[in-house]
Amino acid sequence: KAGVTQTPRYLIKTRGQQVTLSCSPISGHRSVSWYQQTPGQGLQFLFEYFSETQRNKGNFPGRFSGRQFSNSRSEMNVSTLELGDSALYLCASSLLAGGPSNEQFFGPGTRLTVL
Amino acid sequence: DAKTTQPTSMDCAEGRAANLPCNHSTISGNEYVYWYRQIHSQGPQYIIHGLKNNETNEMASLIITEDRKSSTLILPHATLRDTAVYYCIACSTGTASKLTFGTGTRLQVTL
Repeated sequence: KAGVTQTPRYLIKTRGQQVTLSCSPISGHRSVSWYQQTPGQGLQFLFEYFSETQRNKGNFPGRFSGRQFSNSRSEMNVSTLELGDSALYLCASSLLAGGPSNEQFFGPGTRLTVL
Repeated sequence: DAKTTQPTSMDCAEGRAANLPCNHSTISGNEYVYWYRQIHSQGPQYIIHGLKNNETNEMASLIITEDRKSSTLILPHATLRDTAVYYCIACSTGTASKLTFGTGTRLQVTL
């Protein structure tokens, strides 16, 4: 079974631009979560989607948004990029949103650099 | 989610058991203890989780104290490939899709 895939793997943008990152979960997984990882703040939860609905949202500004499609694939968008948005963006999928064995499977991440 | 406390770093000789402690003294009754690890420049990897009984899988064992205030992840025969940051997370299954990662323990396995 293929793992979680994220595209692109690397991205360079300039301040003020916007970016869209893509995540394909493991086949059959319906929950997709996004995380941001920076050296200063560590791993931080952005949001979670389940059955095309945002179920949970972390403490990030409205410039960060996402969506999930009917095939469970998810995208996240960051508008008006700032230097501080430079980070590794990680996507994770799980079979269900909740449940006793709700381990998450992470993708390799997209490394975004904002110049 | 309950706050967890882990040592910043640990060393372990290859072939020996690595015992990684985690304190979660404010854990509530419905919160599980999850362990993930992150090898440099990769996404985190799920290792194991448990509620109150000790658990074992092909990767590791999880020992949870009877009062559930602390736990220990055991890698029985550490290899160089186990060098990573290990995260202990206490959360309910309802919040397991929005994990709160701390700073973790950086485990260095040496020859």
